[in-house]
Amino acid sequence: QVQLQESGPGLVKPSQTLSLTCTVSGGSISSGSYYWSWIRQPAGKGLEWIGRIYTSGSTNYNPSLKSRVTISVDTSKNQFSLKLSSVTAADTAVYYCARDRLSEGGNHFDYWGQGTLVTVSS
Amino acid sequence: SSELTQDPAVSVALGQTVRITCQGDSLRSYYASWYQQKPGQAPVLVIYGKNNRPSGIPDRFSGSSSGNTASLTITGAQAEDEADYYCNSRDSSGNPLFGGGTKLTVL
Repeated sequence: QVQLQESGPGLVKPSQTLSLTCTVSGGSISSGSYYWSWIRQPAGKGLEWIGRIYTSGSTNYNPSLKSRVTISVDTSKNQFSLKLSSVTAADTAVYYCARDRLSEGGNHFDYWGQGTLVTVSS
Repeated sequence: SSELTQDPAVSVALGQTVRITCQGDSLRSYYASWYQQKPGQAPVLVIYGKNNRPSGIPDRFSGSSSGNTASLTITGAQAEDEADYYCNSRDSSGNPLFGGGTKLTVL
């Protein structure tokens, strides 16, 4: 059973960089044909896809965040990471990591972390 | 357009059938996946592909698609089905895209 766990600071100051790590257990991050995604959800609002990294290391980002986002992978630690620069209060949200699997005619997120709340405040 | 539109709220009487819809141009080319989210919890995949349920998801959940509309149907809704439901597909660039979510109330 694959499990994902987010970790990182719960409080980030405005204009600084938000950094989160997702640790994958129960399977190798580099096996199989999977993307590994970051998704966020502001309080009381819907889900927003941030970006993803493929097992090869290639990345895709949400155009609305692309200029501020970097996703990387460390296969030796079975982890992938998110960096979001120049944060503002609008970046306050619960951040989820998820496994993104290609399926017939689309994709789906079959495993999710429990989520971690990141607050941007001075 | 690269949007997925869902009704903000839907209600259903206990034991009745409810359909939650998701509209978007990308749904003409791609299947939607559907996620159930209860307060304070991470989303859970309930339907993916043409009409596939992950292990552990009750068979009262089913999916369908026609034209630019994908639907999640709950046949015989239970109290525990009260939750937010999100559809997911792709945008015009092929990147994942979520609908705005539908809050389901079971009366």
